[in-house]
Amino acid sequence: LAKTTQPISMDSYEGQEVNITCSHNNIATNDYITWYQQFPSQGPRFIIQGYKTKVTNEVASLFIPADRKSSTLSLPRVSLSDTAVYYCLVGPSNDYKLSFGAGTTVTVRA
Amino acid sequence: KAGVTQTPRYLIKTRGQQVTLSCSPISGHRSVSWYQQTPGQGLQFLFEYFSETQRNKGNFPGRFSGRQFSNSRSEMNVSTLELGDSALYLCASSLDSGGATYEQYFGPGTRLTVT
Repeated sequence: LAKTTQPISMDSYEGQEVNITCSHNNIATNDYITWYQQFPSQGPRFIIQGYKTKVTNEVASLFIPADRKSSTLSLPRVSLSDTAVYYCLVGPSNDYKLSFGAGTTVTVRA
Repeated sequence: KAGVTQTPRYLIKTRGQQVTLSCSPISGHRSVSWYQQTPGQGLQFLFEYFSETQRNKGNFPGRFSGRQFSNSRSEMNVSTLELGDSALYLCASSLDSGGATYEQYFGPGTRLTVT
């Protein structure tokens, strides 16, 4: 599985946009990029998955440049309830052996 | 549709005992995975079952075992508990339709404390 690097923590304020960048220099051709969100004492929750360019859903957007060596998760207009740990995962689309790194702790303040 | 359920939610055991945790996946999901989460090691993959067969395995000792039943429900067993086994054990299920999917649905977890 490709190794990922993401910031340990980020602070933001309500209503702002939060962008978390994940580096994955050795991403393989058949690897997808997936982001999960985890609140304290809960299991992770799937946010978004993409292969290239841009993917958007009702929760977030995922931007992937042409070389796919990095990706950026964008959370628009965050609220206090978006305070959580965000994990970037890279691997084959059908790989159920998920490898979570340390994640990025996002703290949203009023 | 009901989510992934895990029982019990909290458990306290003594060192040397064994424990069995249960997971009921989302209806229709055939893949069930187990993870251990600790403050020091983060989220680590234990094993994954599909159609009652262990399909993937992480780097955990043989004290950790699991099984899956014909209705896709899964159990995880830890024998000869050690203090270091104290953790949040998470179960995740996935549809595994054979297409492109990396989406796993996690349960709330079982908080195991070994004293």
